[in-house]
Amino acid sequence: DIQMAQSPSSLSASLGDRVTITCRASQSISRYLNWYQQKPGKAPSLLISAASSLQSGVPSRFTGSGSGTDFTLTISSLQPEDFATYYCQQSYSTPWTFGHGTRVEIK
Amino acid sequence: QVTLKESGPVLVKPTETLTLTCTVSEFSLNNDRMGVSWIRQPPGKALEWLAHISSNDDKLYSTSLKSRLSISRDTSKRQVVLTVTDMDPVDIGIYYCVRHTRFLGFDLWGRGTLVTVSS
Repeated sequence: DIQMAQSPSSLSASLGDRVTITCRASQSISRYLNWYQQKPGKAPSLLISAASSLQSGVPSRFTGSGSGTDFTLTISSLQPEDFATYYCQQSYSTPWTFGHGTRVEIK
Repeated sequence: QVTLKESGPVLVKPTETLTLTCTVSEFSLNNDRMGVSWIRQPPGKALEWLAHISSNDDKLYSTSLKSRLSISRDTSKRQVVLTVTDMDPVDIGIYYCVRHTRFLGFDLWGRGTLVTVSS
């Protein structure tokens, strides 16, 4: 199985901050990497697919980058509604696997 | 509106078999770009993909849970069913039914159903 390592596991940031979350795959997954946002008590929602394709309705302050084994999710200017947990997920091969999540909290 | 809705028992006893049903609306289980997965989340923990059924009825399973899982579908009822045998307290969590669209990922999630395991 492909292992997905996310870092950090949590971070505290202020409104307007630039936030970067990293995801590393245990083997090359090309650009088959998706990002999800989960707010407390809610189901996750798809933010970015194929490493950098923003889903419809997702604000442009979210950007994804990377290929191979190393990927990044960046929030350019943190907004109140962005406080959530973020997960990466590889869709390169089954079994599909998720990272352990990064919790973004208010400083 | 495209939706997926999970249903099933809230509480099962250890060693029992869990059966969960996902009813989908406004998309076809025969759409060759789409399939349905089950994903679970223990309280306060990460997401874990469990099983997937494709539009041509191919089935895929988590490596670690493969021996305990079974996924099936009834296209006439627009339902996907997951069974998990030999339930244990470590299986406690929210079970999500999720649409997987090729080249997108898990693009539509049900609200999830919380399953507890206790005698």
